[in-house]
Amino acid sequence: GAVVSQHPSWVICKSGTSVKIECRSLDFQATTMFWYRQFPKQSLMLMATSNEGSKATYEQGVEKDKFLINHASLTLSTLTVTSAHPEDSSFYICSAREPRENIQYFGAGTRLSVL
Amino acid sequence: GEDVEQSLFLSVREGDSSVINCTYTDSSSTYLYWYKQEPGAGLQLLTYIFSNMDMKQDQRLTVLLNKKDKHLSLRIADTQTGDSAIYFCAESLNNNDMRFGAGTRLTVKP
Repeated sequence: GAVVSQHPSWVICKSGTSVKIECRSLDFQATTMFWYRQFPKQSLMLMATSNEGSKATYEQGVEKDKFLINHASLTLSTLTVTSAHPEDSSFYICSAREPRENIQYFGAGTRLSVL
Repeated sequence: GEDVEQSLFLSVREGDSSVINCTYTDSSSTYLYWYKQEPGAGLQLLTYIFSNMDMKQDQRLTVLLNKKDKHLSLRIADTQTGDSAIYFCAESLNNNDMRFGAGTRLTVKP
């Protein structure tokens, strides 16, 4: 299957700092990528849909100024958690839609811990 | 309802078959998926089935689809300890987004 790379896998930061997470599709071009958040022992919660060359579409209740998404190329989307606080600590997972198969392939996830 | 539903836990003995069940919501879903998540990792696509199929088999995995009842199942034959993980059922929606179940935690006992 297709490969999606997500970095970093784990980040610890101080409250008030910003953290950038990268999601790359390695062997296909993805016009659409997705960002999810997963709380312990829960399912994935879709945060936003990232569209190459246009603004991201955020789900209800997700602050767009807090979670900045940039999809500047067909293989890279970034999620920046701005002014992170302890309540932002979570597991963030990205996915990219392989256009021919219409299947979402997932990155390995990023564990964010805000102190 | 609007949720993809799965039982939360399943425990089996090594060598037995595991059957994980799911009910989905959208009768017009074209694709249905099973993903596996190991601790601290992302989701790995295990298999998927088109809505015009009743069954799909891939090595130890068998997917059964009952469109009438909107029921999807994943059978793992000869379950191994390495199969212990959370299994997510997902459906594709008309807008190409996906809706996930809460995940079934499979525990395989030696």
